[in-house]
This record gives sequence, structure tokens and C-alpha cells, in this order.
Amino acid sequence: QVQLQESGPRLVKPSQTLSLTCTVSGGSILTANYYWSWIRQPAGKGLEWIGRVYTTGITNYNPSLESRVTISVDTSKNQFSLSLSSVTAADTAVYYCARGSLTMDPWGQGTLVTVSS
Amino acid sequence: DIQMTQSPSSVSASVGDRVSITCQASQDVTYYLAWYQQKPGKAPRLLIYGTSSLQSGVPSRFSGSGSGTEFTLTISNLQPEDFATYYCQQANSLPYSFGPGTKVEI
Repeated sequence: QVQLQESGPRLVKPSQTLSLTCTVSGGSILTANYYWSWIRQPAGKGLEWIGRVYTTGITNYNPSLESRVTISVDTSKNQFSLSLSSVTAADTAVYYCARGSLTMDPWGQGTLVTVSS
Repeated sequence: DIQMTQSPSSVSASVGDRVSITCQASQDVTYYLAWYQQKPGKAPRLLIYGTSSLQSGVPSRFSGSGSGTEFTLTISNLQPEDFATYYCQQANSLPYSFGPGTKVEI
């Protein structure tokens, strides 16, 4: 079965760029017609959909983050990535990657990224 | 953007109880409504999609109903492993959005 795993720096300085990669295992990222998504969750708070990428590279972003977000896919590595620029403390959160077009399943375990100097 | 609200924000219940959680959307989302369960320190788990379709492997004590702007998740015969936070999510239009969550506590 498909599994997802987030990786990347856990500590990012303010104004810098947060970069995370999601590695898909147990199946090809090209299988079926799925989008691949990023979602985040600040500590003790709810879930925020960041955006998604299709295997062709087509993307959709949350307008609240669109000016700072880039999501890309590398089908040769079975990975997709998140880049969030000009981060502030408000971007501190657990970041999840997930498979899905309308609903998201499965999810990666999540990775806590802290924005601090 | 579509705003999602949930009620109650928390509910206290006992094993064996029947619990219902309501989710309201600020606009019509037809039947594009999903429910997730999240336990502390874990990723959310998809329970129900398309308002009432049970995800594979999810116990039948979970059920969903509703349409348009008002939806309900019902847990019958609450089990110890069901104590968690539940989120609704609309998938009718981008950007997708989640409700603030309902914590089911003992």
C-alpha cells in the first residue's frame, strides 16, 4: 500500500524559505489520477490546506499562501515538494503530505517545522 | 472561500454512547464532504468521503449524512479507540477547507 514520508529541515530562520519533500513508496506517483497535497497544522490548532500538484505539474494553491508557495513534482524520484518563502513564526506547524484529489488519504506522519532565529 | 464550522467544539461521552457531530458550510458543497479522525501526535485518518461513503477499513459504527450546507457524523456504540478529534472537510471548491474540529472526550 502507498505510504508517504515527509523530509526536510526542522528549523528555518525567519524570512528564509521552508523546503520539504514527500517521498511516496509502495506505488508509483504516476498511478491513477491523483493529486498530491500539502496540509499544515499549527500546534493545538486546525488543519489548513496549502495546495496540491498533479503528476503533469499542474498546481492549485490556497490563495492565503499563493504568493509564497510553490509545489512541484519529480516523477523520476517518486517525490513531490513544498517550498514556502519569507517564513515567519506564524508558519511554524506540523506539515503533512497526502495523496488525494478531493479527499486526502493516505497521509504522511507529518513533520514539525519551527521558524525561529 | 468556503468557511466550515463544527459543533460542538468538544463533547464528553462514555463507551457505548452514540455521538453526533455537526458540520456547516458557508456555501453549498453538494455532497463533497469528508470526515477525518485525528489522535494526538498522529496524522488525520480519512473516515468518510462523499458525505456518507465509508473509507475501506473504517468500522460501520461510523456514519455520515447531510447535503448542501449541513452534515452530520454519527458514531454509534462509542469505543475506547474513538476518543479523538474529528474534522470535516469540503471538497466542492478550491481552496479546500476544514472545520475547526470536535474533540470527543471521555
